[in-house]
Amino acid sequence: EIVMTQSPATLSVSPGERATLSCRASQSINSKLAWYQQKPGQAPRLLIYGASIRATGVPARFSGSGSGTEFTLSISSLQSEDFAVYYCQQYNNWPLTFGGGTKVEIK
Amino acid sequence: QVQLQQWGTGLLKPSETLSLTCAVYGGSFSGYFWSWFRQPPGKGLEWIGEIDHSGGTNHRPPLKSRVTISVDTSKNQFSLQLTSVTAADTAVYYCARGEVGATRGVVDYWGQGTLVTVSS
Repeated sequence: EIVMTQSPATLSVSPGERATLSCRASQSINSKLAWYQQKPGQAPRLLIYGASIRATGVPARFSGSGSGTEFTLSISSLQSEDFAVYYCQQYNNWPLTFGGGTKVEIK
Repeated sequence: QVQLQQWGTGLLKPSETLSLTCAVYGGSFSGYFWSWFRQPPGKGLEWIGEIDHSGGTNHRPPLKSRVTISVDTSKNQFSLQLTSVTAADTAVYYCARGEVGATRGVVDYWGQGTLVTVSS
């Protein structure tokens, strides 16, 4: 099973600032990485797949990068609705696995 | 617009069987994988398993002996059964749609989630 590790666990950011989240895979997953946003009491929402492709309707302030084992999700200018937990997920191998999440909170 | 609506028993006793069903509205049913995930309170997401329209399944290995995922294409529904539950199975359970092809494994639509609590 591929282990996904996210850092930091919590990121405190002021509205309008940039947030950078990291995700590391225990072995190469090529570019088969997705990012999801989850708000309290809600199901996850797909943001990014293929490491860098925004899903339909996702604002351009969200961007993803990386390949192999190291990946990054950037949010260029945090809006109030962006404060949430973000999960990375690999789909290169089964079972599908997720990172432990990064909580982006208001500073 | 694709919608997944799920339902099932929310409170179980240890050793009982968890049973959830998910109905899919909108979009194609036959062209995707249909998955179950769970999320223990305050924790991260875990994939349980998936099924395609023809009944082909994949399961998370540690759960495989306890999990049954089935599909009813006549109703555009799929179901999860998890036997011999313990407190460790307490979680919010989500049904979801998985893509096929080059993006196989990407999940683009989710159900609303069902909290299942196992307690004596």
